[in-house]
Amino acid sequence: DQQVKQNSPSLSVQEGRISILNCDYTNSMFDYFLWYKKYPAEGPTFLISISSIKDKNEDGRFTVFLNKSAKHLSLHIVPSQPGDSAVYFCAATAGWGDSWGKLQFGAGTQVVVTP
Amino acid sequence: EPEVTQTPSHQVTQMGQEVILRCVPISNHLYFYWYRQILGQKVEFLVSFYNNEISEKSEIFDDQFSVERPDGSNFTLKIRSTKLEDSAMYFCASSEALGSISGNTIYFGEGSWLTVV
Repeated sequence: DQQVKQNSPSLSVQEGRISILNCDYTNSMFDYFLWYKKYPAEGPTFLISISSIKDKNEDGRFTVFLNKSAKHLSLHIVPSQPGDSAVYFCAATAGWGDSWGKLQFGAGTQVVVTP
Repeated sequence: EPEVTQTPSHQVTQMGQEVILRCVPISNHLYFYWYRQILGQKVEFLVSFYNNEISEKSEIFDDQFSVERPDGSNFTLKIRSTKLEDSAMYFCASSEALGSISGNTIYFGEGSWLTVV
């Protein structure tokens, strides 16, 4: 089941530069998208989300862009900090009723921020 | 910041044994979930629970699995007779509401590592 794809398993970025993480989806019923950050042996930590009625949402250093026609979203982290080194998961859901909490996750992208 | 708490953090059990994983969701949340992540694989949805009944479940959530909210704070996942392939990290999660209304999202616990030997 590859409804949500993160095609880059890893990303290395210098401290202070921009990190761009990409996510593609195939299910046109998805209308709510979330990004989570995960450290080893910990649970996913919510970062930012976006509804399909928007094409951009910003929260501090994190911005998510949604391109519905391309079924593509991206997470920008500016500036990148060493504490951002973690695995980042893209998740999606069809925002109706009982299925809303049934998130479909991507495989994750390991981000390493170097000094 | 309020958080979802899970116990135990790690459990080793013999194949065929029953396991109960416990969770305390965020106190004002009404919707509860279990997810799991087998090593090297994606995080997968297992079940959602609201108003003391299952709302939605995946194909993984077969008769070996059950969930319960035995009191006003705990939410448990029981695996009746564990198999080797049940070895995974199990995440409890909760949300205040359904849908992408302002501020609503799904918060995850730290996870419970289950190793079946």
